[in-house]
Amino acid sequence: KQEVTQIPAALSVPEGENLVLNCSFTDSAIYNLQWFRQDPGKGLTSLLLIQSSQREQTSGRLNASLDKSSGRSTLYIAASQPGDSATYLCAVRLRYGGATNKLIFGTGTLLAVQP
Amino acid sequence: GAVVSQHPSWVICKSGTSVKIECRSLDFQATTMFWYRQFPKQSLMLMATSNEGSKATYEQGVEKDKFLINHASLTLSTLTVTSAHPEDSSFYICSARSRLAGNTDTQYFGPGTRLTVL
Repeated sequence: KQEVTQIPAALSVPEGENLVLNCSFTDSAIYNLQWFRQDPGKGLTSLLLIQSSQREQTSGRLNASLDKSSGRSTLYIAASQPGDSATYLCAVRLRYGGATNKLIFGTGTLLAVQP
Repeated sequence: GAVVSQHPSWVICKSGTSVKIECRSLDFQATTMFWYRQFPKQSLMLMATSNEGSKATYEQGVEKDKFLINHASLTLSTLTVTSAHPEDSSFYICSARSRLAGNTDTQYFGPGTRLTVL
């Protein structure tokens, strides 16, 4: 059974700092991995999607890496801003069996960027 | 970009009543829709997957007779929580997979519906 874990569960940093969020998964047979942002009481916004054959993806101040063999992904946020404050979720899409549709979500990291 | 809407955004109901939540893909056709629930400070848990015109596939532990899912068209799926109880209070989020060619991996998420059962 695929399990996705995110560390830390919560993080508070001063504005301007660079930070790294971690995601680990137990089964490396994934189709892709996605990072989402969720604001309080809201739905999800997709940030980055990394295919299983890729090593990283970048969008603006965000960079996500994927090491499938070790079951890890990181989300790097450069020059953090108060507007980055949110919960960040990683999710893996399964590859095997008939379950290629499923996204398995991690436990989330609650980020607070202090002005 | 593709937009998914949910209605209502929040609902409060009495225990024992049924509540219907709608999920619509506004500017694309969704062959597959997903329903998730999220408890406070927890992650999203997949409840069921539905394909247009066919019965939904429920995840283990999710009661199909309690959480009725209908995917009647390529732009609309509904989740009905029957005989709701306080433990059903949660944040329900739907997601739709685009039918666009070359875009089969992308799921678009709705804004969620907050259900509170008194």
